[in-house]
Amino acid sequence: EPEVTQTPSHQVTQMGQEVILRCVPISNHLYFYWYRQILGQKVEFLVSFYNNEISEKSEIFDDQFSVERPDGSNFTLKIRSTKLEDSAMYFCASSEGTASPFFGQGTRLTVV
Amino acid sequence: AQKVTQAQTEISVVEKEDVTLDCVYETRDTTYYLFWYKQPPSGELVFLIRRNSFDEQNEISGRYSWNFQKSTSSFNFTITASQVVDSAVYFCALTITYSGAGSYQLTFGKGTKLSVIP
Repeated sequence: EPEVTQTPSHQVTQMGQEVILRCVPISNHLYFYWYRQILGQKVEFLVSFYNNEISEKSEIFDDQFSVERPDGSNFTLKIRSTKLEDSAMYFCASSEGTASPFFGQGTRLTVV
Repeated sequence: AQKVTQAQTEISVVEKEDVTLDCVYETRDTTYYLFWYKQPPSGELVFLIRRNSFDEQNEISGRYSWNFQKSTSSFNFTITASQVVDSAVYFCALTITYSGAGSYQLTFGKGTKLSVIP
């Protein structure tokens, strides 16, 4: 069964550093998403990406964040100058549209 | 804007009991999808069901069943004869079916933590 793959599964970084979270969506999917889940809280939408550009973003997704699809298979989330409050589980998802999105297993980011 | 409310923060049941998880949603759109996801302690999101707003038929899958009532904007989830392996956080979510922006992001509820005690 096709799956969305995220790497790394856990990343620890120092405050102020930049991190890149990587995702390999399902190959024939056209819509890509990043979500964030702070520990013990709900899953929140960050950004969607379609047709090689951001299609929608939430208030959380400010200038600290950026996304890229550098090579047609990977989908990355870059967080610049990380803060303690960026510690969370980050989920990548992909879909064919309104079909049910497939979620990756998540990357747990810990900022120390 | 969409909103999903899961009023039950935590529920504890004894194994073999039935349990219902409530979900109430708000949207101005007439067509939408509703979802349930399970998040076990390992952290991943496990898809359980998707329901189209035009399809109000209840669905049963093994010990799981879902009751969709458009009149009350609710999409409740029942686990029959609960088992310890059902212990997890369960999220209800909503997305609209048309987006001129090219995005079908999910709006999640806060989740209900279910603990099944042996």
